[in-house]
Amino acid sequence: GENVEQHPSTLSVQEGDSAVIKCTYSDSASNYFPWYKQELGKGPQLIIDIRSNVGEKKDQRIAVTLNKTAKHFSLHITETQPEDSAVYFCAPGKHNNNDMRFGAGTRLTVKP
Amino acid sequence: DGGITQSPKYLFRKEGQNVTLSCEQNLNHDAMYWYRQDPGQGLRLIYYSQIVNDFQKGDIAEGYSVSREKKESFPLTVTSAQKNPTAFYLCASSMSTGANYGYTFGSGTRLTVV
Repeated sequence: GENVEQHPSTLSVQEGDSAVIKCTYSDSASNYFPWYKQELGKGPQLIIDIRSNVGEKKDQRIAVTLNKTAKHFSLHITETQPEDSAVYFCAPGKHNNNDMRFGAGTRLTVKP
Repeated sequence: DGGITQSPKYLFRKEGQNVTLSCEQNLNHDAMYWYRQDPGQGLRLIYYSQIVNDFQKGDIAEGYSVSREKKESFPLTVTSAQKNPTAFYLCASSMSTGANYGYTFGSGTRLTVV
């Protein structure tokens, strides 16, 4: 099965700085690469995703980059704000496979 | 507004009791999922369902049961056979079969054994 690892497990940045979280996966057949944000006491929310035919996708302050050869993808958050503080999960998957595997999560703290 | 609703938000179970967690969606999604989350941990898949009257075991199905009698509903029963049920339970749905559609999650049910 898919082995998913996230690094770092915790990340603390100053407001306005950038944050990068990396997700490494093992299944070379994976072709869908989403990132979820989970705030305290809530369910995760999809914030950005990318498919394997694209190397980078950007949505305002967040972006995802994909390196299929190396089997990793990263979440980039620029100009961080306190409301970005949350736990972020990656969950690489593949077509016609219904059971995505989630990484262990990265707790991001943005200090004002 | 379309969404996915879990109830109750908090649930307390006595030793030896079965309890059922509700999950309802009005997104017209085909697939539905149950995940368990322990403190500081990632999400682990319990069961998933691609269509009505069909469901598959995930990685940690022992001690749990599900049903999918309606497209909108996917209740999870935590049985007395589940020895360590205290956790945060998350239900999710996706537009179609295939993991390359994003999941919509409910707000979770926190189950505690008393």
